[in-house]
Amino acid sequence: GAVVSQHPSRVICKSGTSVKIECRSLDFQATTMFWYRQFPKQSLMLMATSNEGSKATYEQGVEKDKFLINHASLTLSTLTVTSAHPEDSSFYICSGKASGGATEAFFGQGTRLTVV
Amino acid sequence: AQSVTQPDIHITVSEGASLELRCNYSYGATPYLFWYVQSPGQGLQLLLKYFSGDTLVQGIKGFEAEFKRSQSSFNLRKPSVHWSDAAEYFCAVGALTGGFKTIFGAGTRLFVKA
Repeated sequence: GAVVSQHPSRVICKSGTSVKIECRSLDFQATTMFWYRQFPKQSLMLMATSNEGSKATYEQGVEKDKFLINHASLTLSTLTVTSAHPEDSSFYICSGKASGGATEAFFGQGTRLTVV
Repeated sequence: AQSVTQPDIHITVSEGASLELRCNYSYGATPYLFWYVQSPGQGLQLLLKYFSGDTLVQGIKGFEAEFKRSQSSFNLRKPSVHWSDAAEYFCAVGALTGGFKTIFGAGTRLFVKA
């Protein structure tokens, strides 16, 4: 399958700072990317869907001003957690889907964010 | 909107025993169904997927799943479990609407006892 790379795999930041997570499709063009968060021992919850060159569509209850998503190219999407707080500590996973008739999204390995 | 139910939060099986993890989905059209496995602190690994055709799907690591439209189910099976299979298993459904969102079930934690 296609490869999606997330960076960093782990990050620790201070409360009140912002942190950026990158999601790259290495061998395909991801016209659509998805961002999920996963709390310990829970499932993956979809946060937002982004299409290249367009504004992201956020799921209900997700603060778009807190979780800034940029999808400026067909191989890169970024999630910026602004003014992070300890309750934002979580596992964030992205996935990318190619255009056309693609019927599968490929997942990155996730980023463990810890806000102290 | 699509949804996925995994009724078992956790399951314990003996090594060498057979395994079945249950998954029920809700979606108005033909679903795209997936099973993923996640080890602690790791990302997701795709075990198998169903789009169309043969309703019995073979995956990696000896897993298989059967799509039953009449029951809206996509249960995962393995004839003989290995200790290394202990992990979290997620059933997921993808929909062509909304850019092909993949929605996950709550997950089933598999414990394997010696």
